[in-house]
Amino acid sequence: EVQLVESGGGLVQPGRSLKLSCAASGFTFSNYGMAWVRQTPTKGLEWVASISTGGGNTYYRDSVKGRFTISRDNAKNTQYLQMDSLRSEDTATYYCARWRRGAFDYWGQGVMVTVSS
Amino acid sequence: DIVLTQSPALAVSLGQRATISCRASQSVSTSSYNLMHWYQQKPGQQPKLLIYDASNLASSIPARFSGSGSGTDFTLTINPVQADDIATYYCQQSRELPLTFGSGTKLEIK
Repeated sequence: EVQLVESGGGLVQPGRSLKLSCAASGFTFSNYGMAWVRQTPTKGLEWVASISTGGGNTYYRDSVKGRFTISRDNAKNTQYLQMDSLRSEDTATYYCARWRRGAFDYWGQGVMVTVSS
Repeated sequence: DIVLTQSPALAVSLGQRATISCRASQSVSTSSYNLMHWYQQKPGQQPKLLIYDASNLASSIPARFSGSGSGTDFTLTINPVQADDIATYYCQQSRELPLTFGSGTKLEIK
């Protein structure tokens, strides 16, 4: 059974950093691209970033480029999202997702990130 | 960015057909693929993939769900609608970055 478990969320002040982790199990992690998608009541679902199987290719939405870094450790079956210079508009539930053929075929339960002073 | 437009809500009776539409601001099809995907999200849960590449049923999804369309116009059909299908449905395109989602259609019981 595919499982994706996020961790690392919480309350952080504007301008500070936070690192999310996503532990994967139930499939051969190194064979799949991975992604982060966030959701808010006002903006809905927003793709944040994706990473290729080996980690050599990464992709970001414009609003997080230069501030967020997606990475993965295939030996640990884990992907990460390093979020720097956080803004209030980054407040959202962040989902880890498996990225296959352009679609997100499995999702984690989500982790809440709140950026507020 | 490719904008995906969905109606906010749809009310149907149990046992009837539900047709949910998604219109893209530009074509999301290539010569080989229609790069539109559909998700179901129930309150308090993560989204679940239903349909990929416009018409392919995802793993473990019941056959009462189907998808169609090409270019800019796509449809998710649920037939017949069951009580468990009450949820919000989202379309998503992967034709180009940034990957974008529709705003969702909330399926309600009439």
